[in-house]
Amino acid sequence: AQSVTQLDSQVPVFEEAPVELRCNYSSSVSVYLFWYVQYPNQGLQLLLKYLSGSTLVKGINGFEAEFNKSQTSFHLRKPSVHISDTAEYFCAVSVSGSQGNLIFGKGTKLSVKP
Amino acid sequence: GAGVSQSPSNKVTEKGKDVELRCDPISGHTALYWYRQSLGQGLEFLIYFQGNSAPDKSGLPSDRFSAERTGGSVSTLTIQRTQQEDSAVYLCASSLEYVAGEQYFGPGTRLTVT
Repeated sequence: AQSVTQLDSQVPVFEEAPVELRCNYSSSVSVYLFWYVQYPNQGLQLLLKYLSGSTLVKGINGFEAEFNKSQTSFHLRKPSVHISDTAEYFCAVSVSGSQGNLIFGKGTKLSVKP
Repeated sequence: GAGVSQSPSNKVTEKGKDVELRCDPISGHTALYWYRQSLGQGLEFLIYFQGNSAPDKSGLPSDRFSAERTGGSVSTLTIQRTQQEDSAVYLCASSLEYVAGEQYFGPGTRLTVT
């Protein structure tokens, strides 16, 4: 079975500082990887995804993530955060060739302080 | 264009009552997913539809939960004899393709069982 671990439940940072949100997954089969963001009182929005090809993927709002197969990681990074990035971030996997349902991590709450 | 819509946005019900939650996916999206977001369990996959068929119902937490989809469009999630542990936000997502497709999430229905 697949599982996703987000190592930090909360990450406080100051505005304009860099941030890394960590995600590790466990799977015996090939997976696709996703990061979703949930702003307060809103639904989930896709930030970026890795399906194949280049291991460095760029998403919306200046975020990027790197797929590391040997470490089974898919950490999310942003070089300089804004107050508006305050939200909860979810890492997710789906099994390639499957019905496509997402298996989510527990989420990381990013709090950007002025 | 219009995104995924869900109704009602909030539902308060008494323990033991039945509830119906509705999802209108993006037009033309063949795949539809239901998830549940709760404090204790995080985001859990419930059920998936490809067209009107639900090939995998194993994610439904109990036989009190059922779902249907008609006309390849609207889906209804029904919870019979609600229990307090059913309190959660129920999220619906749709996708153009069921494999590696980007899922578009609705705003969710917040269910509170008193």
